[in-house]
Amino acid sequence: DAGITQSPRYKITETGRQVTLMCHQTWSHSYMFWYRQDLGHGLRLIYYSAAADITDKGEVPDGYVVSRSKTENFPLTLESATRSQTSVYFCASGPGQDNGYTFGSGTRLTVV
Amino acid sequence: DAKTTQPPSMDCAEGRAANLPCNHSTISGNEYVYWYRQIHSQGPQYIIHGLKNNETNEMASLIITEDRKSSTLILPHATLRDTAVYYCIVRVNTGNQFYFGTGTSLTVIP
Repeated sequence: DAGITQSPRYKITETGRQVTLMCHQTWSHSYMFWYRQDLGHGLRLIYYSAAADITDKGEVPDGYVVSRSKTENFPLTLESATRSQTSVYFCASGPGQDNGYTFGSGTRLTVV
Repeated sequence: DAKTTQPPSMDCAEGRAANLPCNHSTISGNEYVYWYRQIHSQGPQYIIHGLKNNETNEMASLIITEDRKSSTLILPHATLRDTAVYYCIVRVNTGNQFYFGTGTSLTVIP
């Protein structure tokens, strides 16, 4: 099915562990984004990508790593998870910088 | 820096038009205005966007003032399923990212 999918939907991990959140889109959209959403902060941009092998930092990139070796995938890695990274993570994609973007259903990450 | 100002909450009677205002007084000439909404626990959903002309699609209408310093999203016949947080966003011209503010929490009342 066409769309944007995030996995896993829920994840519990321990402090200090590395964890990777996956995002896959089937439209061959050029642009992909990672946001986190926390109570009191709304949605904040972590990283974005304008095309394969092109990534750039958003508002809150510290502690995160991204890659984009293929157009359809944009994984987000927490290199050493901290409790402050407990959040809901949303991935989004879009065809161009002046178009609307489609968001995934989110990954709820808990770091204990 | 969201660059937009929205009221924190609004109510609307079911079946009536919901008019959601947004101020973006520092908008630049080439910056679009976008509207998204987020229903509880779901990912944000794109609604509409525009540059200077009014826009309409199957979900809503977007009215942008002539000076482009403010806009209004209109849901013509609000239903209970339109209860959500509505975000008005201006894309910063130094990058390609959207910055979401705190939005307007719209409650549609039966």
